[in-house]
Amino acid sequence: GQQVMQIPQYQHVQEGEDFTTYCNSSTTLSNIQWYKQRPGGHPVFLIQLVKSGEVKKQKRLTFQFGEAKKNSSLHITATQTTDVGTYFCAGIGNQFYFGTGTSLTVIP
Amino acid sequence: DGGITQSPKYLFRKEGQNVTLSCEQNLNHDAMYWYRQDPGQGLRLIYYSQIVNDFQKGDIAEGYSVSREKKESFPLTVTSAQKNPTAFYLCASRTGGMDTGELFFGEGSRLTVL
Repeated sequence: GQQVMQIPQYQHVQEGEDFTTYCNSSTTLSNIQWYKQRPGGHPVFLIQLVKSGEVKKQKRLTFQFGEAKKNSSLHITATQTTDVGTYFCAGIGNQFYFGTGTSLTVIP
Repeated sequence: DGGITQSPKYLFRKEGQNVTLSCEQNLNHDAMYWYRQDPGQGLRLIYYSQIVNDFQKGDIAEGYSVSREKKESFPLTVTSAQKNPTAFYLCASRTGGMDTGELFFGEGSRLTVL
């Protein structure tokens, strides 16, 4: 079956450092979505990428979709304590395939 | 306010008992989903429904059952056949076809089997 792997599983950074999480699919995706889940909360939609090679920015967050539409990344510049949480990618094929998530801890 | 309501938020169950988790949405979404989340793990799909009176098994459907009698409602029953039911359960919905639309999640139901 389709698999979406995400690395790293955990990341601890000092406040102000950058952070990147990577998402890889075993098959080509029609599009990819990113979600953030705060500790104790539920996932909240961040963004959707559709086009091959697409890059989108939301303030300090930069999202990329690979040329082959099989991988994606989320980069946060100058992390803040409000960035704490788990970031999930979700590949869209005939259903949603969630990545395993990257848990981000920001040390003040 | 439009959204997804899950209840109960916390639930304790004895082994051998069935339990039903409620999920209601007033977003007029066609598709609804149930996911299971274990500590430190991602979301695993239990069941999904794209239309009333129709639903499909996800990756981990064994020991679970669902119904979709109304567009707004997609309850999940955790049966006694589920070997390891303690988990965080998330219901979600979205509009549109397969390639469009974001998922809107409820706040989740945390089930603990004693």
